[in-house]
Amino acid sequence: DAGVTQSPTHLIKTRGQQVTLRCSPKSGHDTVSWYQQALGQGPQFIFQYYEEEERQRGNFPDRFSGHQFPNYSSELNVNALLLGDSALYLCASSYTGGGYQNSPLHFGNGTRLTVT
Amino acid sequence: GDSVTQMEGPVTLSEEAFLTINCTYTATGYPSLFWYVQYPGEGLQLLLKATKADDKGSNKGFEATYRKETTSFHLEKGSVQVSDSAVYFCALNSGGSNYKLTFGKGTLLTVNP
Repeated sequence: DAGVTQSPTHLIKTRGQQVTLRCSPKSGHDTVSWYQQALGQGPQFIFQYYEEEERQRGNFPDRFSGHQFPNYSSELNVNALLLGDSALYLCASSYTGGGYQNSPLHFGNGTRLTVT
Repeated sequence: GDSVTQMEGPVTLSEEAFLTINCTYTATGYPSLFWYVQYPGEGLQLLLKATKADDKGSNKGFEATYRKETTSFHLEKGSVQVSDSAVYFCALNSGGSNYKLTFGKGTLLTVNP
C-alpha cells in the first residue's frame, strides 16, 4: 500500500518563475493538506483540499494556489517565485469522508524547492 | 493566535540516556497535542498524541502527558537508541480538525553509541 507520494523530489527555479508540485494521497484518503517547511523551522499550513475545493487556508498570499482532482490527487502552484519561497513543501493526506475530521495526517517526503 | 514553543536544540545524548524535550503551547479552546518525528530525508511521522487534559500518549517507548495547568506536553523516553536520532516536532491542531496543525520549530536529537 503506497503512502503519500510527491513529485518531483527536488526542483530549482529562478525568481519570477512559476512552479507546480504534485501529490498523490495515501490509498483510501480523500483530503490533502499542503505545508511549507523553511530550513530550521517547523512546517506551516498553506491550505487544505477536500471534495475538489479549498476548505481552509493559512497565512499565505494568493501567489499560492492549488487544485484537487477527482482521484483526490492534488497540485500546489506558486507564481512569481521569491527567494523566500525556497523550502521543503510537504503534502499530507487524511480521511474526512462522513464528516470524520480527526484521522491522523500521513505526510509525504516532500519536494525541496530552491529559488535562485 | 496559536503557537508552540519547543526547547532549542540540538540535543546530543549517549545511548541509553534519558530524554526530555520540553514543549509548551498557547491556544484558544481545547486543542489536541501531537509529537511528530522526521528522520533524515523523510516526511513527518506521527509519534504520539493526546486529545484532552491529563491524557498520556505513548509509542515506541516515548511518552508525553497533556498538562492543561502548565500548557505543556513534554516528550520523554527512558532509554534512547541510536535509531532515535531525528528531528522532533511538537504540534497542536486548530479548530478541531487534525489537518491544520501548528508546529514548533523542531528539536534535533543525536544519539551517539
